Amino acid sequence: AQSVTQLGSHVSVSEGALVLLRCNYSSSVPPYLFWYVQYPNQGLQLLLKYTSAATLVKGINGFEAEFKKSETSFHLTKPSAHMSDAAEYFCAVSDGGYGQNFVFGPGTRLSVLP
Amino acid sequence: KAGVTQTPRYLIKTRGQQVTLSCSPISGHRSVSWYQQTPGQGLQFLFEYFSETQRNKGNFPGRFSGRQFSNSRSEMNVSTLELGDSALYLCASSQVGGDRYGYTFGSGTRLTVV
Repeated sequence: AQSVTQLGSHVSVSEGALVLLRCNYSSSVPPYLFWYVQYPNQGLQLLLKYTSAATLVKGINGFEAEFKKSETSFHLTKPSAHMSDAAEYFCAVSDGGYGQNFVFGPGTRLSVLP
Repeated sequence: KAGVTQTPRYLIKTRGQQVTLSCSPISGHRSVSWYQQTPGQGLQFLFEYFSETQRNKGNFPGRFSGRQFSNSRSEMNVSTLELGDSALYLCASSQVGGDRYGYTFGSGTRLTVV
Protein backbone atom coordinates (compact mmCIF):
# COMPACT_ATOMS: atom_id res chain seq x y z
CA ALA A 1 0.00 0.00 0.00
CA GLN A 2 1.11 3.52 -0.69
CA SER A 3 1.48 6.29 1.82
CA VAL A 4 2.57 9.91 1.79
CA THR A 5 4.05 12.14 4.43
CA GLN A 6 4.40 15.87 4.16
CA LEU A 7 6.81 17.44 6.60
CA GLY A 8 5.33 20.59 8.09
CA SER A 9 1.61 21.18 8.24
CA HIS A 10 2.25 24.92 7.91
CA VAL A 11 5.09 26.69 6.13
CA SER A 12 5.59 30.46 6.03
CA VAL A 13 7.83 32.27 3.58
CA SER A 14 8.38 35.88 2.67
CA GLU A 15 7.30 37.15 -0.71
CA GLY A 16 10.15 36.58 -3.15
CA ALA A 17 11.72 33.82 -1.08
CA LEU A 18 12.22 30.22 -2.09
CA VAL A 19 9.30 27.89 -1.52
CA LEU A 20 10.13 24.30 -0.50
CA LEU A 21 7.35 21.89 0.41
CA ARG A 22 8.43 18.40 1.35
CA CYS A 23 6.86 15.12 0.31
CA ASN A 24 8.07 11.61 1.02
CA TYR A 25 6.25 8.56 -0.20
CA SER A 26 6.12 4.85 0.32
CA SER A 27 5.25 2.54 -2.51
CA SER A 28 5.94 -1.09 -3.29
CA VAL A 29 5.90 -0.43 -7.02
CA PRO A 30 7.22 2.40 -9.17
CA PRO A 31 5.01 5.28 -8.17
CA TYR A 32 3.10 7.94 -9.98
CA LEU A 33 3.40 11.18 -8.01
CA PHE A 34 1.35 14.36 -8.03
CA TRP A 35 1.12 17.77 -6.40
CA TYR A 36 -2.22 19.51 -6.06
CA VAL A 37 -3.06 22.97 -4.77
CA GLN A 38 -6.27 23.96 -3.01
CA TYR A 39 -7.44 27.51 -2.49
CA PRO A 40 -10.04 28.26 0.19
CA ASN A 41 -13.44 26.77 -0.52
CA GLN A 42 -12.25 25.33 -3.81
CA GLY A 43 -11.44 21.94 -5.19
CA LEU A 44 -7.96 20.66 -5.92
CA GLN A 45 -6.01 21.79 -8.95
CA LEU A 46 -3.26 19.65 -10.43
CA LEU A 47 0.10 21.46 -10.27
CA LEU A 48 2.31 18.78 -11.75
CA LYS A 49 2.79 15.03 -12.05
CA TYR A 50 5.59 12.53 -12.32
CA THR A 51 4.85 9.50 -14.46
CA SER A 52 8.30 7.93 -14.92
CA ALA A 53 9.59 10.26 -17.62
CA ALA A 54 11.95 13.08 -16.59
CA THR A 55 12.77 13.20 -12.89
CA LEU A 56 12.53 17.00 -12.80
CA VAL A 57 8.96 17.94 -13.48
CA LYS A 58 7.79 21.44 -14.27
CA GLY A 59 4.25 22.47 -13.46
CA ILE A 60 2.02 25.47 -13.58
CA ASN A 61 2.58 28.79 -11.81
CA GLY A 62 6.36 28.37 -11.78
CA PHE A 63 6.40 25.28 -9.55
CA GLU A 64 8.60 22.27 -10.13
CA ALA A 65 9.35 19.03 -8.31
CA GLU A 66 12.15 16.51 -8.46
CA PHE A 67 11.66 12.77 -8.11
CA LYS A 68 14.47 11.20 -6.07
CA LYS A 69 14.05 7.46 -5.88
CA SER A 70 16.90 6.92 -3.44
CA GLU A 71 15.31 9.36 -1.00
CA THR A 72 11.69 8.39 -1.84
CA SER A 73 11.00 12.10 -2.12
CA PHE A 74 9.12 14.41 -4.44
CA HIS A 75 9.63 17.88 -2.98
CA LEU A 76 7.90 20.89 -4.51
CA THR A 77 9.82 24.11 -5.09
CA LYS A 78 9.35 27.56 -6.50
CA PRO A 79 12.24 30.04 -6.71
CA SER A 80 10.28 33.13 -5.73
CA ALA A 81 7.05 33.10 -3.72
CA HIS A 82 4.15 35.29 -4.67
CA MET A 83 1.25 36.31 -2.46
CA SER A 84 -1.09 34.38 -4.72
CA ASP A 85 0.75 31.15 -3.85
CA ALA A 86 -0.84 31.11 -0.39
CA ALA A 87 -2.91 27.95 -0.34
CA GLU A 88 -2.85 24.34 0.82
CA TYR A 89 -0.69 21.90 -1.09
CA PHE A 90 -1.23 18.16 -1.27
CA CYS A 91 1.17 15.52 -2.45
CA ALA A 92 -0.36 12.28 -3.76
CA VAL A 93 0.97 8.89 -4.78
CA SER A 94 -0.53 6.18 -6.94
CA ASP A 95 0.52 2.72 -8.01
CA GLY A 96 -1.36 3.06 -11.28
CA GLY A 97 -4.40 1.18 -10.06
CA TYR A 98 -7.82 2.61 -9.48
CA GLY A 99 -9.43 4.86 -6.94
CA GLN A 100 -8.32 3.67 -3.57
CA ASN A 101 -4.78 3.31 -4.79
CA PHE A 102 -4.54 7.08 -5.17
CA VAL A 103 -3.44 8.34 -1.75
CA PHE A 104 -3.12 11.94 -0.60
CA GLY A 105 -0.78 13.33 2.01
CA PRO A 106 -2.13 15.41 4.89
CA GLY A 107 -1.35 18.70 3.19
CA THR A 108 0.87 21.70 3.89
CA ARG A 109 -0.57 25.16 4.29
CA LEU A 110 1.67 27.77 2.70
CA SER A 111 1.54 31.34 3.98
CA VAL A 112 3.31 34.12 2.10
CA LEU A 113 4.28 37.13 4.15
CA PRO A 114 4.63 40.59 2.58
CA LYS B 1 -14.27 22.97 -22.10
CA ALA B 2 -16.40 22.92 -18.97
CA GLY B 3 -14.81 21.57 -15.82
CA VAL B 4 -16.20 19.22 -13.21
CA THR B 5 -19.47 20.60 -11.88
CA GLN B 6 -20.76 19.79 -8.43
CA THR B 7 -24.14 20.77 -7.10
CA PRO B 8 -25.15 22.12 -4.74
CA ARG B 9 -22.16 24.10 -3.45
CA TYR B 10 -23.48 24.35 0.08
CA LEU B 11 -25.97 22.24 1.98
CA ILE B 12 -27.26 22.23 5.56
CA LYS B 13 -29.03 19.12 6.81
CA THR B 14 -30.30 17.82 10.11
CA ARG B 15 -29.06 14.66 11.78
CA GLY B 16 -30.96 11.63 10.59
CA GLN B 17 -31.84 13.09 7.19
CA GLN B 18 -30.41 11.89 3.93
CA VAL B 19 -28.70 13.88 1.21
CA THR B 20 -27.83 13.46 -2.46
CA LEU B 21 -24.92 15.24 -4.08
CA SER B 22 -24.41 15.52 -7.81
CA CYS B 23 -21.34 15.58 -10.00
CA SER B 24 -21.06 16.19 -13.74
CA PRO B 25 -17.62 15.19 -15.06
CA ILE B 26 -15.71 16.76 -17.89
CA SER B 27 -17.18 15.77 -21.22
CA GLY B 28 -15.58 12.51 -22.36
CA HIS B 29 -14.43 11.52 -18.91
CA ARG B 30 -15.79 8.14 -17.89
CA SER B 31 -14.28 7.77 -14.44
CA VAL B 32 -15.71 9.61 -11.44
CA SER B 33 -14.29 9.42 -7.94
CA TRP B 34 -15.59 10.89 -4.71
CA TYR B 35 -13.57 12.11 -1.74
CA GLN B 36 -14.48 13.37 1.70
CA GLN B 37 -12.31 16.16 3.09
CA THR B 38 -12.32 17.08 6.77
CA PRO B 39 -9.78 19.00 8.88
CA GLY B 40 -9.12 15.98 11.05
CA GLN B 41 -8.96 13.18 8.50
CA GLY B 42 -7.82 15.01 5.40
CA LEU B 43 -8.80 13.62 2.00
CA GLN B 44 -10.37 10.21 2.17
CA PHE B 45 -11.42 8.14 -0.81
CA LEU B 46 -15.09 7.18 -0.91
CA PHE B 47 -15.59 5.33 -4.20
CA GLU B 48 -14.88 5.34 -7.90
CA TYR B 49 -17.25 4.67 -10.79
CA PHE B 50 -16.38 3.80 -14.34
CA SER B 51 -18.96 3.14 -17.04
CA GLU B 52 -21.78 2.96 -14.47
CA THR B 53 -19.95 0.35 -12.36
CA GLN B 54 -18.41 0.87 -8.97
CA ARG B 55 -14.81 -0.08 -9.48
CA ASN B 56 -13.40 0.62 -6.05
CA LYS B 57 -14.68 1.57 -2.61
CA GLY B 58 -13.03 3.15 0.41
CA ASN B 59 -13.55 2.36 4.07
CA PHE B 60 -16.83 4.12 4.71
CA PRO B 61 -20.02 2.69 6.22
CA GLY B 62 -22.86 1.52 4.04
CA ARG B 63 -24.71 4.79 4.67
CA PHE B 64 -22.50 6.20 1.92
CA SER B 65 -23.49 5.07 -1.54
CA GLY B 66 -23.21 6.27 -5.07
CA ARG B 67 -24.11 5.61 -8.64
CA GLN B 68 -23.16 6.65 -12.12
CA PHE B 69 -25.46 7.21 -15.04
CA SER B 70 -24.95 6.39 -18.70
CA ASN B 71 -23.89 9.98 -19.40
CA SER B 72 -21.15 9.58 -16.73
CA ARG B 73 -22.84 11.93 -14.31
CA SER B 74 -22.61 10.65 -10.77
CA GLU B 75 -24.50 11.03 -7.55
CA MET B 76 -23.57 10.13 -4.04
CA ASN B 77 -26.03 9.60 -1.26
CA VAL B 78 -25.58 9.68 2.48
CA SER B 79 -28.41 8.30 4.59
CA THR B 80 -29.08 8.81 8.28
CA LEU B 81 -26.75 11.76 8.52
CA GLU B 82 -24.47 12.14 11.52
CA LEU B 83 -22.71 15.24 12.79
CA GLY B 84 -19.40 13.69 11.73
CA ASP B 85 -20.52 13.65 8.11
CA SER B 86 -20.00 17.40 7.95
CA ALA B 87 -17.30 17.83 5.35
CA LEU B 88 -16.34 19.06 1.93
CA TYR B 89 -17.25 16.38 -0.60
CA LEU B 90 -15.13 16.47 -3.71
CA CYS B 91 -15.79 14.82 -7.02
CA ALA B 92 -13.00 14.14 -9.48
CA SER B 93 -13.07 12.87 -13.04
CA SER B 94 -10.63 11.40 -15.50
CA GLN B 95 -10.85 9.75 -18.87
CA VAL B 96 -10.22 6.20 -17.79
CA GLY B 97 -8.98 6.38 -14.21
CA GLY B 98 -6.84 9.13 -12.83
CA ASP B 99 -4.22 7.15 -11.05
CA ARG B 100 -1.59 7.56 -13.71
CA TYR B 101 -2.50 10.94 -15.06
CA GLY B 102 -4.19 12.73 -12.19
CA TYR B 103 -7.75 13.77 -11.61
CA THR B 104 -9.65 16.95 -12.36
CA PHE B 105 -11.57 18.07 -9.32
CA GLY B 106 -14.78 19.98 -8.90
CA SER B 107 -15.17 22.80 -6.40
CA GLY B 108 -16.93 20.53 -3.96
CA THR B 109 -20.13 20.48 -1.94
CA ARG B 110 -19.84 21.77 1.62
CA LEU B 111 -22.19 19.69 3.74
CA THR B 112 -23.02 20.84 7.24
CA VAL B 113 -25.01 18.52 9.50
CA VAL B 114 -26.70 20.17 12.49
